[in-house]
Amino acid sequence: DTAVSQTPKYLVTQMGNDKSIKCEQNLGHDTMYWYKQDSKKFLKIMFSYNNKELIINETVPNRFSPKSPDKAHLNLHINSLELGDSAVYFCASSQWAGAFNQPQHFGDGTRLSIL
Amino acid sequence: AQKVTQAQTEISVVEKEDVTLDCVYETRDTTYYLFWYKQPPSGELVFLIRRNSFDEQNEISGRYSWNFQKSTSSFNFTITASQVVDSAVYFCALSGGGANSKLTFGKGITLSVRP
Repeated sequence: DTAVSQTPKYLVTQMGNDKSIKCEQNLGHDTMYWYKQDSKKFLKIMFSYNNKELIINETVPNRFSPKSPDKAHLNLHINSLELGDSAVYFCASSQWAGAFNQPQHFGDGTRLSIL
Repeated sequence: AQKVTQAQTEISVVEKEDVTLDCVYETRDTTYYLFWYKQPPSGELVFLIRRNSFDEQNEISGRYSWNFQKSTSSFNFTITASQVVDSAVYFCALSGGGANSKLTFGKGITLSVRP
C-alpha cells in the first residue's frame, strides 16, 4: 500500500501554463507538507498544513497555491509557470505533536520540467 | 536560526569499506530533533532515524550507526561494511522544539559505493 502518493510523477509543460500536483496520504497523519528540491538536490519547505489549516508559508511566490480539502489531501496549484520552477516537488506527511519533530514520510516526488 | 552543515559533498568508497557521513548543526533551541534521510537513485526520500536533544545515546541498526554529540553539535552517521545498495544521497535535518519550527535540511552527501 502506498503511504504518500503524488500524481503525476512527471510533468513537462511550457512557460506560462498553469498546472496542479496532487498528493494523498493514507497514514492517518494530521500534517502535510510541500517541499521543493532544486537541481543541486537542496530541499526546502514550501508549505505545511495541519488538519487543513495552513501553518507554514515559506515566502513562496503567490503563483503557488496549496489547497487541502481534507487532512488526507494536499494539492499544489502553480500559475504562470516559469523556468525557475523546474524542480522535483515532494509531498510529505507526519503526525502532529505540537511541532515539526515527527518523522516525515515522503511521496516519490513530481519532476516538473518547464520548456 | 537553524542551520545544518554537511561539509562533505561527495564520498566514494569501495564495497565493504566503512564510511562516516558528518553532520554539524546550529540551533538556539534547548529542545530539538535531528534526522537522517536517504535518497537513493530512484528519487524517493526514506526516513532513517530521529534523535531528540535529550538523548545522547548512540544508536545502531544493523550496519548503520549514529553518533550524537551535543558538545560538538554533531550527529554523524556511519555505515559499516558498505554495499552498492547504500549508494544514495544522505540528508541530515534539524527541527526545533517549538511550535511551527520547520525541518531544515543540510545540502546532502552523495555516497557512491563501488563494487
